[in-house]
Amino acid sequence: GAVVSQHPSWVICKSGTSVKIECRSLDFQATTMFWYRQFPKQSLMLMATSNEGSKATYEQGVEKDKFLINHASLTLSTLTVTSAHPEDSSFYICSALYLRGNNEQFFGPGTRLTVL
Amino acid sequence: QKEVEQNSGPLSVPEGAIASLNCTYSDRGSQSFFWYRQYSGKSPELIMSIYSNGDKEDGRFTAQLNKASQYVSLLIRDSQPSDSATYLCAVDLSGYSTLTFGKGTMLLVSP
Repeated sequence: GAVVSQHPSWVICKSGTSVKIECRSLDFQATTMFWYRQFPKQSLMLMATSNEGSKATYEQGVEKDKFLINHASLTLSTLTVTSAHPEDSSFYICSALYLRGNNEQFFGPGTRLTVL
Repeated sequence: QKEVEQNSGPLSVPEGAIASLNCTYSDRGSQSFFWYRQYSGKSPELIMSIYSNGDKEDGRFTAQLNKASQYVSLLIRDSQPSDSATYLCAVDLSGYSTLTFGKGTMLLVSP
């Protein structure tokens, strides 16, 4: 149990375009999901907390108009990187909060974004 | 500023030895602690969670928590080359299930 998927696993796009990343909890309902970003040789940085049916909570320094988060169902959260630029190239990872356990977070496999 | 600190390593141990990974955190009120393993280029996978002082064992892994010293550790017994990875300590500093991650300790297990 507690499986989280992400799609796509990698994407290459041109500067100025938008990219949507999907995060799904496959075998449980997740009222809360999280979006992280990880640059090479650095740790995970929380970008935002996504709650089903409400607006996401963004961490300080994360532009909410650039990183649009939608959590429209109990199994799906999406992150859209709008007007992507090369500095947005990173490894984006989502996690879902598994409430039946000990409030543990289970991670998706990640999406590697490269902006040319 | 609320922080989670880990030695970056690498920590090198021979196959079959015990690997000891350490983590300190800044907020004395923290209640939930997690260890994740991350292979290069992959996302983190949960190894263990611990919430009470003392030891918690799961197979070859033992997590140890000392809230008074604000210290959490992970012991890996009978280390295998497949254990070579970066180990991330994560703490719920906020109490709202948001995690703050340490920078991770790279473990290298040599055959």
